[in-house]
Amino acid sequence: DGGITQSPKYLFRKEGQNVTLSCEQNLNHDAMYWYRQDPGQGLRLIYYSQIVNDFQKGDIAEGYSVSREKKESFPLTVTSAQKNPTAFYLCASSNRAGQLDTFGSGTRLTVV
Amino acid sequence: AQSVAQPEDQVNVAEGNPLTVKCTYSVSGNPYLFWYVQYPNRGLQFLLKYITGDNLVKGSYGFEAEFNKSQTSFHLKKPSALVSDSALYFCAEKRDSSGSARQLTFGSGTQLTVLP
Repeated sequence: DGGITQSPKYLFRKEGQNVTLSCEQNLNHDAMYWYRQDPGQGLRLIYYSQIVNDFQKGDIAEGYSVSREKKESFPLTVTSAQKNPTAFYLCASSNRAGQLDTFGSGTRLTVV
Repeated sequence: AQSVAQPEDQVNVAEGNPLTVKCTYSVSGNPYLFWYVQYPNRGLQFLLKYITGDNLVKGSYGFEAEFNKSQTSFHLKKPSALVSDSALYFCAEKRDSSGSARQLTFGSGTQLTVLP
């Protein structure tokens, strides 16, 4: 079955640590996205990538980094510079026409 | 200014009654509009979309939405609510970027509770 896989489902981070969230898709989609979800605020765009080896900052990119070395993969690193990383992170992808986005099941990150 | 607004944080409706979840947008040109549903600790599931064509869009699980350009609205509706429809609903639109991809902008979400 085609889809998007996010891992891990739950992740715990200590203060000052970098952590990387995985996102893999087998839909042959060109574009991939990372969103952060906080209660009552909907989803906010962190980074997006339209093609391999290219990505752009979204609305809340500070404290995050990404890479797009393969079409199928778009990992997100939450760095120690992100002061409030506890949130639910969602990855998505879309085809070239951009008429439908498919979402992963999410990773819940908690700072301990 | 937020381009997608969901004015109600919470909507309660009795099972079997019609439901409406409101969404308004503010974007020039021809927006792509979407409704997604989210169950606890899960990703977003696509319900329906408006790209062009008929203003009344029918989607998954008996949901439908009407694109109203004069009122800049895209309200989600269902004639008869089920308890299993209880979830968090998001309206979203796609805006132009500098490239070919268009990113989703989400409303703040509406928690729908269907009471038995």
